[in-house]
Amino acid sequence: DQQVKQNSPSLSVQEGRISILNCDYTNSMFDYFLWYKKYPAEGPTFLISISSIKDKNEDGRFTVFLNKSAKHLSLHIVPSQPGDSAVYFCAAGGWNSGGSNYKLTFGKGTLLTVNP
Amino acid sequence: GAGVSQSPRYKVTKRGQDVTLRCDPISSHATLYWYQQALGQGPEFLTYFNYEAQPDKSGLPSDRFSAERPEGSISTLTIQRTEQRDSAMYRCASSPEGNEQFFGPGTRLTVL
Repeated sequence: DQQVKQNSPSLSVQEGRISILNCDYTNSMFDYFLWYKKYPAEGPTFLISISSIKDKNEDGRFTVFLNKSAKHLSLHIVPSQPGDSAVYFCAAGGWNSGGSNYKLTFGKGTLLTVNP
Repeated sequence: GAGVSQSPRYKVTKRGQDVTLRCDPISSHATLYWYQQALGQGPEFLTYFNYEAQPDKSGLPSDRFSAERPEGSISTLTIQRTEQRDSAMYRCASSPEGNEQFFGPGTRLTVL
């Protein structure tokens, strides 16, 4: 059972336009969400995060929105640049029911291609 | 060991002192992450290692923070000249080639 879902395996946008990457989760106990970016043959790089007590976090061209009622978060990149072309992973963190173990669970990723 | 271990579990230090925290990841895991977690908040990314390489230090809050993983297994996080605002839980996580990170119990650092 996938607790973190990125339903779009790929997304293609034009340079200068907005890129919107989506992520859905099922576990209401998740309290922290992160986006990672991964280039081919490299490890994931942390991009931006948001705590469950917030609904928006902005860092330069990157903004993450969290809709807890819909269990949905999205990453907006404005304006998109060709260098943004990479795989983007959504991750959600939460404690188990006993409060003894914290784990991050990742989605399967979305390949973003920004065309010049 | 079966899981990620960290030591010490608790550390109390005086402002200005240096501290070193240790993480033993799951032995088969290539990737190791360090996070700082304030009370009531989720973990904030500090840095990560892929074996001994450290591709991303973007989360380290200042140059007083450094991390090492010289042989690609055990890692240390050092905070020099500690300040009261450094007080937090410091968590280490390791990950196989996959989509989950497994966290250790953390080190609770208190700077007086």
